[in-house]
Amino acid sequence: LAKTTQPISMDSYEGQEVNITCSHNNIATNDYITWYQQFPSQGPRFIIQGYKTKVTNEVASLFIPADRKSSTLSLPRVSLSDTAVYYCLVTGNQFYFGTGTSLTVIP
Amino acid sequence: ETGVTQTPRHLVMGMTNKKSLKCEQHLGHNAMYWYKQSAKKPLELMFVYSLEERVENNSVPSRFSPECPNSSHLFLHLHTLQPEDSALYLCASSQGREASYNEQFFGPGTRLTVL
Repeated sequence: LAKTTQPISMDSYEGQEVNITCSHNNIATNDYITWYQQFPSQGPRFIIQGYKTKVTNEVASLFIPADRKSSTLSLPRVSLSDTAVYYCLVTGNQFYFGTGTSLTVIP
Repeated sequence: ETGVTQTPRHLVMGMTNKKSLKCEQHLGHNAMYWYKQSAKKPLELMFVYSLEERVENNSVPSRFSPECPNSSHLFLHLHTLQPEDSALYLCASSQGREASYNEQFFGPGTRLTVL
């Protein structure tokens, strides 16, 4: 089971780009990297998933270097509503939600 | 609205009670999951069902008993719980369990309080 390490918390001002990096040294060949967002008292919500290089969707970008031992979630121009916990997971047949990164967006 | 519903949303029970949590997914998915989230702790995966067969049981006490009668419904039967079982119980579903098919859609959760 590949566990992940990410910062416990981050602060950012509104309108800035936020980058959250996650390390996953034990990632296996068949594993994907997946990020979820969770607001208090709600279930997590899928943000983005990737295998290698760069993936972009309407809410975020995911950068994965060639060795795949880390990944960076990039949130462009955050707003107050982006204040949440962000989880990085390595997903093959198993899942492990770590403690996540608590992002606070400041006005 | 994620396509996954859970009932009840809130539940208060005594340690001698028996209750059940219900989860229903309207997404045509083949895998369903139960998670426990205690205050200030990571999500803990409890059970995984794939095509109505339990494929994962992560050392969960026997006072929690899951049931998956079909691919759309998942239950968690509770009996003789302890106060430390108070938590948010989350249900999720995914198209499959293999990587690239396992994006999970979560329900809103049931907030359980054991007195």
